[in-house]
Amino acid sequence: AQTIHQWPVAEIKAVGSPLSLGCTIKGKSSPNLYWYWQATGGTLQQLFYSITVGQVESVVQLNLSASRPKDDQFILSTEKLLLSHSGFYLCACSDRTSGNTLYFGEGSRLIVV
Amino acid sequence: QQQVRQSPQSLTVWEGETAILNCSYEDSTFDYFPWYRLFPGESPALLIAIRPVSNKKEDGRFTIFFNKREKKLSLHITDSQPGDSATYFCAAQTGANTGKLTFGHGTILRVHP
Repeated sequence: AQTIHQWPVAEIKAVGSPLSLGCTIKGKSSPNLYWYWQATGGTLQQLFYSITVGQVESVVQLNLSASRPKDDQFILSTEKLLLSHSGFYLCACSDRTSGNTLYFGEGSRLIVV
Repeated sequence: QQQVRQSPQSLTVWEGETAILNCSYEDSTFDYFPWYRLFPGESPALLIAIRPVSNKKEDGRFTIFFNKREKKLSLHITDSQPGDSATYFCAAQTGANTGKLTFGHGTILRVHP
């Protein structure tokens, strides 16, 4: 079974400061990777997805960027945080064996002040 | 435009009752409809899913009823238990193995003992 490790678990950051959230997947080879965002009380919004190393597709523009430097690693970042970036960020993966099933990490809670 | 809508926003039932969670969608190309369950402090996990070739999918106490013509589906939880208390997300996807799920806003279910 795969494991999805996200870091940090939680952060409080100032508006205008940079951010980097990480996600590492173990137990799956060449997975599809996704970043989801949930505003407080809101829906799960897909931000980015990647089907292979070095290739990332943006789904929603939120002044964030994502990169996939390794097959098992997915990074979400921005150079300047906005108040609206607050929320819960979830990394997820899927692959051919899991079909359409998404497996989520435990998430990173971000509070921008 | 919200592609996937859920109602009610929150639902309270007594233990033993049947909880009915509703979902509707706009895009007729959606061909996969999973329900994810989110317990507080945990990450979302797939509960049950259906494809439009079927109008019903059952798994234990959980049943999806699907009406393709009306673009509606519902999740029925029979004999509700306090441990079922969670947020339930209806989602929809076009195409196989893309993981590009569109989520509804979720229904918060509370089951009172």
